[in-house]
Amino acid sequence: AQKITQTQPGMFVQEKEAVTLDCTYDTSDQSYGLFWYKQPSSGEMIFLIYQGSYDEQNATEGRYSLNFQKARKSANLVISASQLGDSAMYFCAMRESFTPHAGGTSYGKLTFGQGTILTVHP
Amino acid sequence: NAGVTQTPKFRVLKTGQSMTLLCAQDMNHEYMYWYRQDPGMGLRLIHYSVGEGTTAKGEVPDGYNVSRLKKQNFLLGLESAAPSQTSVYFCASSYMAVTLSSGLTQYFGPGTRLLVL
Repeated sequence: AQKITQTQPGMFVQEKEAVTLDCTYDTSDQSYGLFWYKQPSSGEMIFLIYQGSYDEQNATEGRYSLNFQKARKSANLVISASQLGDSAMYFCAMRESFTPHAGGTSYGKLTFGQGTILTVHP
Repeated sequence: NAGVTQTPKFRVLKTGQSMTLLCAQDMNHEYMYWYRQDPGMGLRLIHYSVGEGTTAKGEVPDGYNVSRLKKQNFLLGLESAAPSQTSVYFCASSYMAVTLSSGLTQYFGPGTRLLVL
């Protein structure tokens, strides 16, 4: 069974500084995908970034980057130059596997971690 | 382009009452999902659908039923609501993909807050 662990219930960062949110995962699958979502106080789930298990380079999306260390089974989110609007709950999630080279399909079910509340101080 | 919408936004039920949550997407996505979010926990999958007319159980399906009669709609039903079903319910949708690089990103609706007394 897949499992996602976010060990930081809460994190604080000063505005304009960088912050790393930790995520470790457990799977026996060879192919999988890792996602980060942001949930502001308004409640919606906002997709931030994705990393495939076969991707050799770390994913980046603007101020977000994913520090993917496959051997350690970690997929930490790095937010650079934090802004007050970054204050939110952040979820790490993993998608079940499929076999890309065989042209298989994935139903895309996600397993979520418990989340980390990030607070950005001015 | 509305994306994923959910109806209603908030509902209060008494124990034993029934209700249906509606999810609609206008992105022509094949896959749709229902999750619940409880305090201190991440989202947990209730049911999902990989196409019109097909549904499957997720991690926490007990007490819920679903239907996908049209590609764009995914209904979540509570036949006899219980206080343990007090939660925030999220619907999500995604494309079917055959390559890992596509990501199969799920796009979420705004959520439905349900309180069962």
